[in-house]
Order: sequence, then structure tokens, then C-alpha cells
Amino acid sequence: EIVLTQSPGTLSLSPGERATLSCRASQSVSSRYFAWYQQKPGQAPRLLIFGASTRATGIPDRFSGSGSGTDFTLTISRLEPEDFAVYYCQQYDSSPLTFGGGTKVEIK
Amino acid sequence: EVLLLESGGRLVQPGESLRLSCAASGFTFSSYAMSWVRQAPGKGLEWVSSISGSDGRTYYSDSVKGRFTISRDDSQNTLSLQMSSLRAEDTALYYCAKRGSSYGYYFDSWGQGTLVSVSS
Repeated sequence: EIVLTQSPGTLSLSPGERATLSCRASQSVSSRYFAWYQQKPGQAPRLLIFGASTRATGIPDRFSGSGSGTDFTLTISRLEPEDFAVYYCQQYDSSPLTFGGGTKVEIK
Repeated sequence: EVLLLESGGRLVQPGESLRLSCAASGFTFSSYAMSWVRQAPGKGLEWVSSISGSDGRTYYSDSVKGRFTISRDDSQNTLSLQMSSLRAEDTALYYCAKRGSSYGYYFDSWGQGTLVSVSS
């Protein structure tokens, strides 16, 4: 099973700042098979990025994904008030599908 | 617009069974693999089970294999999860999720979830 470790656990930032979220895999993952989700309190997760760097439909371009192998990054270039949420990474390169533990982006 | 509406969650005792359903609309249901993903209270996401859209092949996490059965009714656009021998650690919000494309098992649409509580 591929274990995904997200860091930091919590990121305290102000609106307008840049957020950099990390996800490290316990073994190499094809960049074609990596995704990021956003989840707000009381809501279902929302797909942000798939294929490591492709934005899902309707996702603003301030969200970008990068990485390969065991290290992947989600970057939010300028935080908007609606971006404060929990973010999860997911690999779908091998079974079982696994998610990271999440990074909470909170208002500083 | 894709809509996924889960139902069936409730409070049950350990060892009991429960059946969850997910009603889908807004897309060609039979063409897509579907999955269940759960989230324990205050915790992260955990993949539970998936079923392919083409041949109905099923997949399970080790934590539920042998206890849960996923199925689909393409004539009714419905996904189901039959859960048996429920344990306290199965307590979670269960999401129905649609596979994003045939090129990868990411989830581009999610329901709002149905809550399963297992407690005596």
C-alpha cells in the first residue's frame, strides 16, 4: 500500500499569501495518477487537480499542481477567503487507492 | 449537472447489517466506474470499494473485504453498498463518488454522504 504523508498538518496564512502544500509518497507514483481535493466543513470533497497538474473543470488558475515520483506539491498562488479549507492528496497508481491525511489551511 | 444522492445510513449495533444506496443522475451512469469513500468523524478520507462500469468488476479495501459488497443497477442508475458484520470502526460518513475518466481512478463528483454509526 502506498502511504501518502502530507505536510504541514496545518498552514496558517493570510488572504493574498501563497500556500505551498506537500504530499510525499512511500513509493514512486506515476504523475499521471495523482490528484488533489479540497474539502470545506460540512461539505463533500471537491476535485481540484488530477494527473498531478491538470486542473479540474471550473478550478481557478491560482491552483496549480506539480511533482513526480514521490514528491508532489499543490500551490495556491494567492489565497482567497474561500480557499481556507482542508486539502487531500490521492494516488490512483496502485491498489488500494490511498489518500493523504490532509493539510488544513487556516486564516492567520 | 451530476447529482449523487446517498441514503440508508443510520445507527446500528455491532454485528448488524446495513445497505447504502446512491441515486445518480446527470450523466450516463453505466459508462462510469463508481466508488464508495468514507470519512470517520474528524478524520481523513478512506477508499472503501469500487465497481467498474463496463464489466462490473469489484474492488475492496482490506478493511472491508469479505464484509461489504458493492453493486450497481444500471437500469435504475443506482449504486449500492451492502455492509455486514459492522464494527465500531466502520462509523463514518459514506460518500458515493464518480470516477473522473477511464484514464484514472480519481473522483470528479461526490455526493453529500450518508452517516453510518455503529455503537451498542
